[in-house]
Amino acid sequence: AQSVAQPEDQVNVAEGNPLTVKCTYSVSGNPYLFWYVQYPNRGLQFLLKYITGDNLVKGSYGFEAEFNKSQTSFHLKKPSALVSDSALYFCAVRVPITGGGNKLTFGTGTQLKVEL
Amino acid sequence: ETGVTQSPTHLIKTRGQQVTLRCSSQSGHNTVSWYQQALGQGPQFIFQYYREEENGRGNFPPRFSGLQFPNYSSELNVNALELDDSALYLCASSFGTAQGKSSYEQYFGPGTRLTVT
Repeated sequence: AQSVAQPEDQVNVAEGNPLTVKCTYSVSGNPYLFWYVQYPNRGLQFLLKYITGDNLVKGSYGFEAEFNKSQTSFHLKKPSALVSDSALYFCAVRVPITGGGNKLTFGTGTQLKVEL
Repeated sequence: ETGVTQSPTHLIKTRGQQVTLRCSSQSGHNTVSWYQQALGQGPQFIFQYYREEENGRGNFPPRFSGLQFPNYSSELNVNALELDDSALYLCASSFGTAQGKSSYEQYFGPGTRLTVT
């Protein structure tokens, strides 16, 4: 089964410091990977995706992610964290479904807390 | 460009009742997916609709059903509600083709919070 794992339930970082939110994947074939962010009582907002090409993917709000095939990882990064980045972050993989479509399979989420 | 909208925002139902949740897809999108997000968990895929046909289904019982309309809006219906159905229900839209090609990312609405008592 195609899946992603987020090994950390929570990540704490001081404002201004770099942040990393980890994600590993288990996929047969080429992985299509995504990061989404969820603020309290809100839906998911798309941050970035990896389909093919450069291993460093740039996304919204200054976030980027590094695809590493040998380590089967897709870690989310930001050079300088803001308090407003505090939210729940989900890694996801696109999985084919019967009928020709695709679904997203999500990790369990990582709560990011950025403190002053 | 209008985003994905969902209604209602919140809903409280009693066990055994039926509920209908609604979703309007983003303009230009023809595919709608529904997800259930229980408290403290990641979203779980319920099913997907493409051009008014169910395109695939996750591990949910038949009392979860859906519809897609010609304008690509969609409904999620849940019959015989159970306490475990309490969750945030998310709708996501994307663009798909008959050849199975689709836009890679899905765009999510704000969700409907369903509480079953």
